[in-house]
Amino acid sequence: AQKVTQTQTSISVVEKTTVTMDCVYETRDSSYFLFWYKQTASGEIVFLIRQDSYKKENATVGHYSLNFQKPKSSIGLIITATQIEDSAVYFCAMREGGFAQGLTFGLGTRVSVFP
Amino acid sequence: DPKIIQKPKYLVAVTGSEKILICEQYLGHNAMYWYRQSAKKPLEFMFSYSYQKLMDNQTASSRFQPQSSKKNHLDLQITALKPDDSATYFCASSQDHCQDTQYFGPGTRLLVL
Repeated sequence: AQKVTQTQTSISVVEKTTVTMDCVYETRDSSYFLFWYKQTASGEIVFLIRQDSYKKENATVGHYSLNFQKPKSSIGLIITATQIEDSAVYFCAMREGGFAQGLTFGLGTRVSVFP
Repeated sequence: DPKIIQKPKYLVAVTGSEKILICEQYLGHNAMYWYRQSAKKPLEFMFSYSYQKLMDNQTASSRFQPQSSKKNHLDLQITALKPDDSATYFCASSQDHCQDTQYFGPGTRLLVL
């Protein structure tokens, strides 16, 4: 069975600095996909970035990047040059291969960015 | 314009009643999903549909029934509502490729009294 664990409940950072969030996953599949989403204060869930298990290079999109450590089953999210608007709950999720597979989510990490 | 529409945004229901949550997506996707978010629980996958066919059902209760009248519609009928059903229900969609990314709708917040 799949499992996703986010151990950090909340993180507070000062604007324009870097924040790093941890995520550890469990799967028996050799092919799987990892995602990070954020949930804004309005409740909207927004896709941020993904990492496919077969790719060795860490994904980067804008000021989001991933630290993929496959031997440790770890996929950390790094946000550089944080802005007030980055305050949200960040969810790590995974799905195994196959069509129309559901995502397994972690409990989320609440990030608060202060001026 | 919103690409995934969920109606209603808020819903209050009485225990034992039946409600239908509406989801329409205009992303041209072939796969649609329902998730539930309850307090202090992770987002929980419920159903997935591909080309209007049920692909996966992770909901133990038969009180939850998805309904797909069109390829871009996936409604969720909930019968015999219980207070424990109170949650925010999110619809999502994807291209239905084995490597696809799922995009979420704004959610319907259901409160069962």
